[in-house]
Amino acid sequence: DIQLTQSPSFLSASVGDRVTITCRASQGIRRYLAWYQHEPGKAPKLLIYSASTLQSGVPSRFSGSGSGTEFTLTISSLQPEDFATYYCQQLDDYPHTFGGGTKVEIK
Amino acid sequence: EVQLLESGGDLVQPGGSLRLSCAASGFTFTSFAMTWVRQAPGKGLEWVAAIGGRYSYTYYADSVKGRFTLSRDNSKNTLYLQMNSLRADDTAVYYCGKRALDTGSIDSWGRGTLVTV
Repeated sequence: DIQLTQSPSFLSASVGDRVTITCRASQGIRRYLAWYQHEPGKAPKLLIYSASTLQSGVPSRFSGSGSGTEFTLTISSLQPEDFATYYCQQLDDYPHTFGGGTKVEIK
Repeated sequence: EVQLLESGGDLVQPGGSLRLSCAASGFTFTSFAMTWVRQAPGKGLEWVAAIGGRYSYTYYADSVKGRFTLSRDNSKNTLYLQMNSLRADDTAVYYCGKRALDTGSIDSWGRGTLVTV
């Protein structure tokens, strides 16, 4: 199975900060990677697919990059509604594993 | 608007069975692959299983293979997850998801249903 390692697992930041989350795959997954945002008690939300394509309706402060084994999610200017947990998911091969998550909290 | 509504979550004894349902609306159900993802208390998201659209292939996580069965009734726009031989580590909120046609990413999610073993 393909393992995804996210870092950091916890991040404390202030409104307006630039935030970067990394997702590393145990083997190459081309660009078959998605990023999700999850707030407690809510349905997860797709942010980015195919490593760098912004899902319709998602603010442009979110961006994704990478291919192969290393990927990043960047929030250019953190907003109050962005405090949540973020997950990467690989879609290159079954099982479609998730990373362990990165919790973004208010500093 | 795409809507996914999970139901069937409950408190069950170890070794018991439960069937989850996911009622879909707002899209052509037959055309899309679907998936289940779960989140145990205090843990991250875990991919559970996936099923194709019209041709209904299925894939399962090793942790549920042989115990869970994923199926769909395209005439009722409903996805099912039959869970047998339930264990304490199956306790989680179970989310139903619709997969995008080209990328396979989960572009719509339900609010989840809680299973407690």
